[in-house]
Amino acid sequence: SYELTQPPSVSVSPGQTARITCSGDALPKQYAYWYQQKPGQAPVLVIYKDSERPSGIPERFSGSSSGTTVTLTISGVQAEDEADYYCQSADSSGTTGVFGGGTKLTVL
Amino acid sequence: EVQLVQSGAEVKKPGESLKISCKGSGYSFTSYWIGWVRQMPGKGLEWMGIIYPGDSDTRYSPSFQGQVTISADKSISTAYLQWSSLKASDTAMYYCARPEYSGYDLGYWGQGTLVTVSS
Repeated sequence: SYELTQPPSVSVSPGQTARITCSGDALPKQYAYWYQQKPGQAPVLVIYKDSERPSGIPERFSGSSSGTTVTLTISGVQAEDEADYYCQSADSSGTTGVFGGGTKLTVL
Repeated sequence: EVQLVQSGAEVKKPGESLKISCKGSGYSFTSYWIGWVRQMPGKGLEWMGIIYPGDSDTRYSPSFQGQVTISADKSISTAYLQWSSLKASDTAMYYCARPEYSGYDLGYWGQGTLVTVSS
């Protein structure tokens, strides 16, 4: 079945830029979405349609796409950004969805 | 205000059946897909399947096809996830969620239902 691949972990110091990648063969055809999940909480959508930011999400969160890879960028990382981040997309036919394995962002 | 309210935590034995629910309010229930997402203890999110309550069109991830059944009762604005015979490996948090901006995003989430399967 279709898979999205993320790095298991990313670490950055406060104020630096964090980049989390997500790779999948169908990403040139299907939009990607990004979620932030903190312990004990439901996920929160932080980017939709590759690069759109929902209302209420800080401007430091941005998304981009290039070929089979999409990237979530968090500029000026703050301690409160420490969380698990998941990419999500659909298979090439758009029939079913899939999540990446998740990336744990650690703010040093 | 869009809300998805899920049923409470369940403790079941292997082999038992279970149906958990997700009640939508604050929007036209028949006009948006509702998806189910599994999160096993300490693990990542898994996309299980989605249903369009307007016509009951249902799509399953290959990993969950035949393992669970997704349904909806539009008369009471409620979606369901059910098992006919639970296994210990079904122990997980289950979330329902709905798109907010486009077809496949999950912008609105329920609070989650913890299912524990243990003998």
